[in-house]
Amino acid sequence: RKEVEQDPGPFNVPEGATVAFNCTYSNSASQSFFWYRQDCRKEPKLLMSVYSSGNEDGRFTAQLNRASQYISLLIRDSKLSDSATYLCVVKPDYKLSFGAGTTVTVRA
Amino acid sequence: DGGITQSPKYLFRKEGQNVTLSCEQNLNHDAMYWYRQDPGQGLRLIYYSQIVNDFQKGDIAEGYSVSREKKESFPLTVTSAQKNPTAFYLCASSIDPGTSDTQYFGPGTRLTVL
Repeated sequence: RKEVEQDPGPFNVPEGATVAFNCTYSNSASQSFFWYRQDCRKEPKLLMSVYSSGNEDGRFTAQLNRASQYISLLIRDSKLSDSATYLCVVKPDYKLSFGAGTTVTVRA
Repeated sequence: DGGITQSPKYLFRKEGQNVTLSCEQNLNHDAMYWYRQDPGQGLRLIYYSQIVNDFQKGDIAEGYSVSREKKESFPLTVTSAQKNPTAFYLCASSIDPGTSDTQYFGPGTRLTVL
C-alpha cells in the first residue's frame, strides 16, 4: 500500500466553481501534513500546511481527519490560474512522503 | 534574492556515462534533499543531508551518489549503475528537519538518457 494516495483526476471545473478532493495516508503516526502545488514541468511549491483544526487561506481550505486518515483540499471560486497538480504531502517520520498528485483544470 | 538553483535545466546523457547535477542554495538551510519524479508517481527521495559532511540514503539511492562539502551545495551524481535514470530531478532544502518540515524546491533538472 502506498504511503500517500490521491485521486489523479483530472478534475475539470468551470471558473467560479468549487472543487474539492482528498488524499489518504497509511501511517497513523504522521504528524505533519501539507498541500503543495505543482505547475506543468515546474517544481512543487508549498500551498499550505494542514493543521488539526483545519485551516483556510483565502479561497483554499484544508481539513485533516486523523480518525479516517485523510486530508482534503477545497478551492472556492476557482480561477484559471488554479489549474495545476496538487500534491498531498505527509511526514510520517524523518522524511516527507508525496502523493502522485491530483490534477485540476479550470476552464473559462 | 534567496533561493535554490539547479543546473543544468536539461541534460542528455549517453548510456554508460556518469553525470553530475548541481544544486546550490543561499537560504542558509541546514538540510538538503534530492528527489526524482516520474510521470504518475510521487516524488521519491534519493539522498538527504542534515548537516555538512553528512548524508543518508533515501528510498532509491542505488545508482546515485552525493557529497556535502559545503552547506550551500549538494551535488548529485547519476552513475552508469542507475538503470533507468531518465526523470525529473528536484533538489530541496529546509531550515532544519528537526524544527521545520517545510521544504523549498529548486527548479529541477530534466535528465534524458539517449
